[in-house]
Amino acid sequence: SAVISQKPSRDICQRGTSLTIQCQVDSQVTMMFWYRQQPGQSLTLIATANQGSEATYESGFVIDKFPISRPNLTFSTLTVSNMSPEDSSIYLCSVGGRRTFTDTQYFGPGTRLTVL
Amino acid sequence: AQKVTQAQTEISVVEKEDVTLDCVYETRDTTYYLFWYKQPPSGELVFLIRRNSFDEQNEISGRYSWNFQKSTSSFNFTITASQVVDSAVYFCALSEARGSGGYQKVTFGIGTKLQVIP
Repeated sequence: SAVISQKPSRDICQRGTSLTIQCQVDSQVTMMFWYRQQPGQSLTLIATANQGSEATYESGFVIDKFPISRPNLTFSTLTVSNMSPEDSSIYLCSVGGRRTFTDTQYFGPGTRLTVL
Repeated sequence: AQKVTQAQTEISVVEKEDVTLDCVYETRDTTYYLFWYKQPPSGELVFLIRRNSFDEQNEISGRYSWNFQKSTSSFNFTITASQVVDSAVYFCALSEARGSGGYQKVTFGIGTKLQVIP
């Protein structure tokens, strides 16, 4: 399985500001995914990021609020823009080996975000 | 639409007891994959097992075992002789193909918080 790191591991931010979360993988992967886990809740997929193409967002998530970059096969960023307290969550990136549903997704350690 | 139900939101057991975490899923597809993940207090999701829809053999890995029954759409997880280190939130998940390209759509259950008391 791939080794995945995320930066920052946690942050406390003020309302109205933006935070960019980085996800680094130790091997090349086709698919990267960004999830949000609100306090005490399950994981919700924000978007799927393929290298060299626009991210695909799930219903309820928009690019203006959660812009994603995927400049190469080992790196991606998620920005949480114009934050409000409702954005306080754990944000997790995950990777799948190929673009098929048979793959196991492996997760990074997560970024704990608190918005005041 | 696919759905994963983990009816037990929290379970407490005394160390060395056996505990079973329930998972019931819904899907229209005949080909799909089921997963269990562990999320300790540190927050990282740890992959435990993957099972495809054509393999109903039960699996045992140390103190962990999984029982997959298509007839009842269940994929239950049992920890034998529980230990304090097993305290975590456990998520069951379902993966289906989405679209003609077979892109992945993973649906997670709400999770079961297991507390093992020493």
